[in-house]
Amino acid sequence: EPEVTQTPSHQVTQMGQEVILRCVPISNHLYFYWYRQILGQKVEFLVSFYNNEISEKSEIFDDQFSVERPDGSNFTLKIRSTKLEDSAMYFCASSRAPGETQYFGPGTRLLVL
Amino acid sequence: KNQVEQSPQSLIILEGKNCTLQCNYTVSPFSNLRWYKQDTGRGPVSLTIMTFSENTKSNGRYTATLDADTKQSSLHITASQLSDSASYICVVLHGNNRLAFGKGNQVVVIP
Repeated sequence: EPEVTQTPSHQVTQMGQEVILRCVPISNHLYFYWYRQILGQKVEFLVSFYNNEISEKSEIFDDQFSVERPDGSNFTLKIRSTKLEDSAMYFCASSRAPGETQYFGPGTRLLVL
Repeated sequence: KNQVEQSPQSLIILEGKNCTLQCNYTVSPFSNLRWYKQDTGRGPVSLTIMTFSENTKSNGRYTATLDADTKQSSLHITASQLSDSASYICVVLHGNNRLAFGKGNQVVVIP
């Protein structure tokens, strides 16, 4: 069964450094998403992406964040200058169409020191 | 404000027993409601999805209910197994494509 994959599974970085989180959505899906989950808290929406542009973004998704689909398979989340409070689990998800089930990847655990 | 509240926050049940998890939401406009299962350190996996007109949806030992009038949903787990130990997250789709997540019900099944 096709699934969403994410790399790396874990990332440790110094405050102020840039990180890029990578995702490979399910191949016939057209809508892509990033979420984050701070330890012990609920999953929070960051951004949705369709047709090579951002469809929606939350208040969390400020100028420090950007997303890109650099080729036909990868979908990336970049954090330009990480802060301590960016430490969280970051989930990528994809769906065939808006409103259809979103399939989540296993997540990348980011720790900012 | 779009909110999804779940109860109980956590519960421990004996293997083979049943349990029911509750979800209340104040999300508008409502599109559909999903229950996801999230194993520790993993991404959420969809269990059920219900639209406004559906009252009940089953997926194996999982049965979800929806009362759109009172804005309540429940997830019933029948004959629990050790592998049911996970967080169960109630998620409401509002607007065109925006998900509102509950904090999850943490279920621990013990032998």
